[in-house]
Amino acid sequence: DTGVSQDPRHKITKRGQNVTFRCDPISEHNRLYWYRQTLGQGPEFLTYFQNEAQLEKSRLLSDRFSAERPKGSFSTLEIQRTEQGDSAMYLCASAPGPGVTGELFFGEGSRLTVL
Amino acid sequence: DQQVKQNSPSLSVQEGRISILNCDYTNSMFDYFLWYKKYPAEGPTFLISISSIKDKNEDGRFTVFLNKSAKHLSLHIVPSQPGDSAVYFCAASYLNSGTYKYIFGTGTRLKVLA
Repeated sequence: DTGVSQDPRHKITKRGQNVTFRCDPISEHNRLYWYRQTLGQGPEFLTYFQNEAQLEKSRLLSDRFSAERPKGSFSTLEIQRTEQGDSAMYLCASAPGPGVTGELFFGEGSRLTVL
Repeated sequence: DQQVKQNSPSLSVQEGRISILNCDYTNSMFDYFLWYKKYPAEGPTFLISISSIKDKNEDGRFTVFLNKSAKHLSLHIVPSQPGDSAVYFCAASYLNSGTYKYIFGTGTRLKVLA
């Protein structure tokens, strides 16, 4: 296990369709974060898991967004009824913890294009 | 409310010279600061970090300076190389209700000219 992996790397979909992204964190990391990045912006926090528990969700995460981390391993981020404004890079990051600060290890991202 | 600000969207530097990237923050609760580098179509890659109890951290060509009283940090790259051309994000973290939150700036695009 050499790092955080995300799948798919790029998804093109039509408005109104559902999409799901998967993130496999570094195996011993129990913290997992989802971020969204749009052009000209930095990564914006979406949600955070500590093991399987989703401890925080951003106001950016509308009811159309749902994230899970069953068994505290991989995580999925689903967007229902996609809108053109959902087009962005979705970044997953993991970190050891919980009591330790330090760097987040990012995956390569999943780019979503909504037509 | 932008808690972490990078006011320079872009910076051009000649190869071999020093690159200085700046970052300002507003939240006094931030206790750990990080710099990330990002190439197009890739995720951010960690570069260097600094705890709030320090004012300087150095790693090879990269040095981060923290001025807590001014709520300002900077990243120095010496000497700059063409491969350093990328977008650099400043990030700050703090513990809030059991969650380590990481807030990112909007980034500075560095171009190192050969």
